[in-house]
Amino acid sequence: GDSVTQMEGPVTLSEEAFLTINCTYTATGYPSLFWYVQYPGEGLQLLLKATKADDKGSNKGFEATYRKETTSFHLEKGSVQVSDSAVYFCALSDRTGGSYIPTFGRGTSLIVHP
Amino acid sequence: NAGVTQTPKFQVLKTGQSMTLQCAQDMNHNSMYWYRQDPGMGLRLIYYSASEGTTDKGEVPNGYNVSRLNKREFSLRLESAAPSQTSVYFCASSPTVPENYGYTFGSGTRLTVV
Repeated sequence: GDSVTQMEGPVTLSEEAFLTINCTYTATGYPSLFWYVQYPGEGLQLLLKATKADDKGSNKGFEATYRKETTSFHLEKGSVQVSDSAVYFCALSDRTGGSYIPTFGRGTSLIVHP
Repeated sequence: NAGVTQTPKFQVLKTGQSMTLQCAQDMNHNSMYWYRQDPGMGLRLIYYSASEGTTDKGEVPNGYNVSRLNKREFSLRLESAAPSQTSVYFCASSPTVPENYGYTFGSGTRLTVV
């Protein structure tokens, strides 16, 4: 079956540092890929997405590129802020039996210090 | 406000009690999902409904039942609550093909079973 593997956290950075959160996937089909963010006490919010190979999703300074050859979708940001502290989930959506059931990674906690 | 609404936000149950978690979306989405989130486990799919009138089991369905009441509403029922069902429950919805819009989540129900 489909699966998503994320780097374990927490990732602890100082403000303005460069961020990378690794995500790799396995899928039987040709999935769409997503990054979601969860702030404390809230639900998940869509951060960015990519639907085909070499697509780059971007939002709020975050970027991720769909790499089919390495089955990866790593999240990057050039300069993190304290307000970026949250849990980040990588996810894929693949057609299984006529339904598009999402599969999520376990999440990576990011802590940014001033 | 457009989105996914979950009620209640918090609930404490005694072992053996029953309750229903409510979820409603106003985005005209066909598909709806119930997840539970536990520390270190990420999101695990309980049940999903690909369209009105259909429901299917996810990864962890035991101890739960669901009802897709209409296109807007998808409820999750615990018939006899157990401490192992202490968790945060999220409802989500999506178009049939989610690649352009992803999945929209509610803000969650924090359930404690004592």
